[in-house]
Amino acid sequence: AQTVTQSQPEMSVQEAETVTLSCTYDTSESDYYLFWYKQPPSRQMILVIRQEAYKQQNATENRFSVNFQKAAKSFSLKISDSQLGDAAMYFCAYRRGNTDKLIFGTGTRLQVFP
Amino acid sequence: DAGITQSPRHKVTETGTPVTLRCHQTENHRYMYWYRQDPGHGLRLIHYSYGVKDTDKGEVSDGYSVSRSKTEDFLLTLESATSSQTSVYFCAISESEIAPSYEQYFGPGTRLTVT
Repeated sequence: AQTVTQSQPEMSVQEAETVTLSCTYDTSESDYYLFWYKQPPSRQMILVIRQEAYKQQNATENRFSVNFQKAAKSFSLKISDSQLGDAAMYFCAYRRGNTDKLIFGTGTRLQVFP
Repeated sequence: DAGITQSPRHKVTETGTPVTLRCHQTENHRYMYWYRQDPGHGLRLIHYSYGVKDTDKGEVSDGYSVSRSKTEDFLLTLESATSSQTSVYFCAISESEIAPSYEQYFGPGTRLTVT
């Protein structure tokens, strides 16, 4: 069975600095997607970034980028120039290619200090 | 934002009572999902639907049933609520003619408390 592990329950960063959130996963599949979701205090789940396993290039969305290490089954999220609005729970998620079920990690709570 | 609503948004109920949560979408997405979110567990899939009257179990389906009689509505029923079902419940949708299948869009959540 596929599993997703987020080993950092909480992280903190100073405004304008860079922070990296870790995620590892376990799968025997070759076709899959990985995602980072943000959940602010409003509880709304917001898709931050996705990575297709077949793509070697790391995905980037503005200040958010990933370090996808397929062989190591690692998928970390880097947030550059952190802003107060980045404070939230961040969930890493995995989806096998031919299904639509998402498997989530347990989340990392990010605090941003001014 | 994808047009997903959940009702009710908050509910307090007593152990042993039946509860139905509703997810309604206006996006004509094919897939619909119910997740529960609990501290230390992230989000876990309860049931999902891949079309009208087509549903399947997820990771934590015991004590829950679902129905989908129309594309736009996906109901989650707790036949006899227990305190272990106190949680925040999220509905999600994916895949339409204009939305790629790998992206899931989430509703605002329902906070259910079973006393």
